[in-house]
Amino acid sequence: NAGVTQTPKFRVLKTGQSMTLLCAQDMNHEYMYWYRQDPGMGLRLIHYSVGEGTTAKGEVPDGYNVSRLKKQNFLLGLESAAPSQTSVYFCASSPTGRRLNEKLFFGSGTQLSVL
Amino acid sequence: KQEVTQIPAALSVPEGENLVLNCSFTDSAIYNLQWFRQDPGKGLTSLLLIQSSQREQTSGRLNASLDKSSGRSTLYIAASQPGDSATYLCAVGEETSGSRLTFGEGTQLTVNP
Repeated sequence: NAGVTQTPKFRVLKTGQSMTLLCAQDMNHEYMYWYRQDPGMGLRLIHYSVGEGTTAKGEVPDGYNVSRLKKQNFLLGLESAAPSQTSVYFCASSPTGRRLNEKLFFGSGTQLSVL
Repeated sequence: KQEVTQIPAALSVPEGENLVLNCSFTDSAIYNLQWFRQDPGKGLTSLLLIQSSQREQTSGRLNASLDKSSGRSTLYIAASQPGDSATYLCAVGEETSGSRLTFGEGTQLTVNP
């Protein structure tokens, strides 16, 4: 009963390096989201997807790219990491994103440090 | 732009006390409101979800209320226990954005034995 799984759990990058964070959900959810959590800022939406093959920008999309080639996977890419991208990244999913009583299901997070 | 504020930022109480966490939001055109729990180093777990047409939801010792017109929600925890120690986050979904949520910064709760 995995739910939402994020890999890796921890990562340290040097400025300018690239990496991809993987999110996988086994609940057949349509909607998937990437958030970042920073002290004093709460959680902020980076990008989201309303279904396989679709992506859209959230509140803080600059410096990130995403892809949703398969319904169960949502990838977050950093092409050229910057210290400002040091954060905890959370992936979440919801069944359809359109019903009033839908809860979000979160992964356990990825702690990313950019030096 | 929707803004969500949670007061207090931190709260420490003795075991057994009843307590209230507060959440306020600036735009009353919300879809729903959720309360989440976050344990250190872990993800978020949804505790309660209140639809915009509802006034409250209950689960065990937790009761969440919603006053949409005044832009406020409260999370009431009865007979607090050390295991309730965590950060509690409030998040609102807006009518134009479905389940894309705007989060508050959270209240860090410590329940002392």
